[in-house]
Amino acid sequence: SYVLTQPPSVSVAPGETASIACGGNNIGSKSVHWYQQRPGQAPVLVIYYNNDRPSGIPERFSGSNSGNTATLTISRVEAGDEADYYCQVWDSNSDLGLFGGGTKLTV
Amino acid sequence: EVQLVESGGGLVKPEGSLRLSCEASGFTFKNAGMSWVRQVPGKGLEWVGRIKSKTDGGTTHYAAFVNGRFTISRDDSKNTLYLQMNSLKTEDTALYYCTFTYCSGGTCYSYSWGQGTLVTVSS
Repeated sequence: SYVLTQPPSVSVAPGETASIACGGNNIGSKSVHWYQQRPGQAPVLVIYYNNDRPSGIPERFSGSNSGNTATLTISRVEAGDEADYYCQVWDSNSDLGLFGGGTKLTV
Repeated sequence: EVQLVESGGGLVKPEGSLRLSCEASGFTFKNAGMSWVRQVPGKGLEWVGRIKSKTDGGTTHYAAFVNGRFTISRDDSKNTLYLQMNSLKTEDTALYYCTFTYCSGGTCYSYSWGQGTLVTVSS
């Protein structure tokens, strides 16, 4: 079965750029979606179709996807960006979504 | 504004049953695919299952761990999604989220999420 691998944690100083990786076999051939989950809150979609942002999501959030790695990039990181981030692809075999294990971003 | 409000969670004994509900508003529910996603406290997200809109066939799909124990249904007249859970196990203890699942181009994602309802399975 398909597996998405994320680093457990990433640390970044305020104002710097954070990059969160999501690894999977030939993930570049799939569409990757990203969710932010702040402590005690429900997840929020921040990137869909690799690099599209829902309305209300700052331009500081961007995504890329190529080869075996998709990446969520957060520019000019703020304290409010501290959260868990999950990547997700669609598994055509099960016809369900598949999440990575999540990455805790510490600012 | 899309709103999803889950209810029905609580404490249940192993092998017991529970029905979760999710009341939707702010979008045309009958045209929407919907999913249940769960999260064990302190752990990651896990897709439980989904139901397509009736215009897309109304079919349901479940994660392997469900193994026939859960049933997802919908009442479009009430804008409500359900998750009937039977033969519950301690490992089903989790926060259960209802999501509006948008699909296009061979992929789907959860566009909006409810706040979740907590299910605790314990004797």
